[in-house]
Amino acid sequence: DTAVSQTPKYLVTQMGNDKSIKCEQNLGHDTMYWYKQDSKKFLKIMFSYNNKELIINETVPNRFSPKSPDKAHLNLHINSLELGDSAVYFCASSRASQGLGANEQFFGPGTRLTVL
Amino acid sequence: GEDVEQSLFLSVREGDSSVINCTYTDSSSTYLYWYKQEPGAGLQLLTYIFSNMDMKQDQRLTVLLNKKDKHLSLRIADTQTGDSAIYFCAESTGWGKLQFGAGTQVVVTP
Repeated sequence: DTAVSQTPKYLVTQMGNDKSIKCEQNLGHDTMYWYKQDSKKFLKIMFSYNNKELIINETVPNRFSPKSPDKAHLNLHINSLELGDSAVYFCASSRASQGLGANEQFFGPGTRLTVL
Repeated sequence: GEDVEQSLFLSVREGDSSVINCTYTDSSSTYLYWYKQEPGAGLQLLTYIFSNMDMKQDQRLTVLLNKKDKHLSLRIADTQTGDSAIYFCAESTGWGKLQFGAGTQVVVTP
């Protein structure tokens, strides 16, 4: 039933470690996104992929590397984790990459990352 | 700084109407959106308005758009406890890139 799912839901790790967050959507959508929500609830887009092709790549440290093995999956790998990476990371998907179809985005439940 | 601005907090009594306000900056935004985030969950699209409209009604929700002032509002009629959440205003800046406001925390009291 789950439309957009993410694993893990919680991730606690030490500074300097490398970690991955996985995202899958079963909606048949073509476009997927990663967002970061900070402690003040401010939500900012990081990346988007359309049919496995990178569309949006915001000013994000290159320690963050998205990978899309197919259009139903978009994973986020983070190298050399820093304290400032602590946040909730949301995956989302949409039917299209432009127009209304791009902006009706369906969000996953989020992954709360805590870097100690 | 943020391009989309919202007040951070709103307290409302159950049964009253809630009005959440938002100002945005990109006059070329084709669509403007309201998303709702319940505790511990992702965002959920509530409603949207096309930029050539000035009002849209969807059951208890009314969206008003003043394009001249770049002002968007969401009115929730007969507010219920289940409406307690954070509400995000967003403008589309193309290619699925949504610029969100900081969110308005709505607390509904009995």
